[in-house]
Amino acid sequence: QQPVQSPQAVILREGEDAVINCSSSKALYSVHWYRQKHGEAPVFLMILLKGGEQKGHEKISASFNEKKQQSSLYLTASQLSYSGTYFCGTDQNDYKLSFGAGTTVTVRA
Amino acid sequence: SQTIHQWPATLVQPVGSPLSLECTVEGTSNPNLYWYRQAAGRGLQLLFYSVGIGQISSEVPQNLSASRPQDRQFILSSKKLLLSDSGFYLCAWTRSPYEQYFGPGTRLTVT
Repeated sequence: QQPVQSPQAVILREGEDAVINCSSSKALYSVHWYRQKHGEAPVFLMILLKGGEQKGHEKISASFNEKKQQSSLYLTASQLSYSGTYFCGTDQNDYKLSFGAGTTVTVRA
Repeated sequence: SQTIHQWPATLVQPVGSPLSLECTVEGTSNPNLYWYRQAAGRGLQLLFYSVGIGQISSEVPQNLSASRPQDRQFILSSKKLLLSDSGFYLCAWTRSPYEQYFGPGTRLTVT
């Protein structure tokens, strides 16, 4: 079942912070986050495994609340390069990911 | 290091023509392989996945099929393309349950 992402879109100025949420109605084994630039393939950012471990990537970090089946991606001190569409992918330990509809992030100078 | 290849990068095909897209992975063995389709401005739709040679699972019934003739090769095919088959086709690999990596994609336009 497809996870629900929010918000659908966010506009930021350089240096501002943002949070993207991803929630599922199913028990999750892991949550994956990807960023896709226009016309390109999605790029892997991070994976959060069951256990609530928080992972980081540059100034992008994420958390996973396995009790609530929710994950959040934190964009801190955003840069122009952070613009793109962010997808969460959820894994129920069945060999495949279900992706959310995506959150479009636009960072302006 | 591992690398994933897809070809062709772009393709324009008439309605009713056949399709064959190829994906290969280098630098790993026995990967899980996936085919996704992304319509313009939309999310990622899983079409097929494979956990081993000859093992194909279909997620969406349609006029597409997939095959895995070799450990690191995954092929997406169609006998007759429809207009609705247009989109960005992405192959991905993973050694479950770890991160999934996408290939560069094939942009298919059916005219």
